[in-house]
Amino acid sequence: AQTVTQSQPEMSVQEAETVTLSCTYDTSESDYYLFWYKQPPSRQMILVIRQEAYKQQNATENRFSVNFQKAAKSFSLKISDSQLGDAAMYFCAYRSVSLITQGGSEKLVFGKGTKLTVNP
Amino acid sequence: DAGITQSPRYKITETGRQVTLMCHQTWSHSYMFWYRQDLGHGLRLIYYSAAADITDKGEVPDGYVVSRSKTENFPLTLESATRSQTSVYFCASEPGPPTYEQYFGPGTRLTVT
Repeated sequence: AQTVTQSQPEMSVQEAETVTLSCTYDTSESDYYLFWYKQPPSRQMILVIRQEAYKQQNATENRFSVNFQKAAKSFSLKISDSQLGDAAMYFCAYRSVSLITQGGSEKLVFGKGTKLTVNP
Repeated sequence: DAGITQSPRYKITETGRQVTLMCHQTWSHSYMFWYRQDLGHGLRLIYYSAAADITDKGEVPDGYVVSRSKTENFPLTLESATRSQTSVYFCASEPGPPTYEQYFGPGTRLTVT
């Protein structure tokens, strides 16, 4: 079964600075998707960014970018120019895209989350 | 309004009562999911559905029942609520390929007294 590990329970960053959140995963599959979700104090889960494993290029969405290292099974999230509104729990997640008959799963596997504090 | 909604947003009930949490999505996504979120446990999958009339257990299904007679609705029923089911419940939907992106509802905070 796939597992997702976020080794930093809490992180903090100064406003306007850059912070990187770590995520590692374990899988024997070659084709999968990875996601970062944000959960602010409002509790709403918000999709931040998606990375397809077959793509070598790292995904970018405005101030958010990832460093995807497939061989190392690492998927870190970099937040540039941090803003107060970035303060939230961040969850890394893995989605198999293999067919069920080939051992795939239709479930999203989440890490335990990293709480990010942004200091003014 | 387009999107995914949950009702009620807050619910207090007594031990032993039956409770149904509603989830409705307007995108016609194939997949729908129910999670519970508790401190120290992150998000745990209760049940999911790949299509209407197809449901499957997740990580913590005991004490819960789901049905999916229509693509857009995926209610979650606690047959006889227990205090350990006090939690925040999230519903999510996903279109499947090519994006596999899950979209979450706002959550329901359930307290069982």
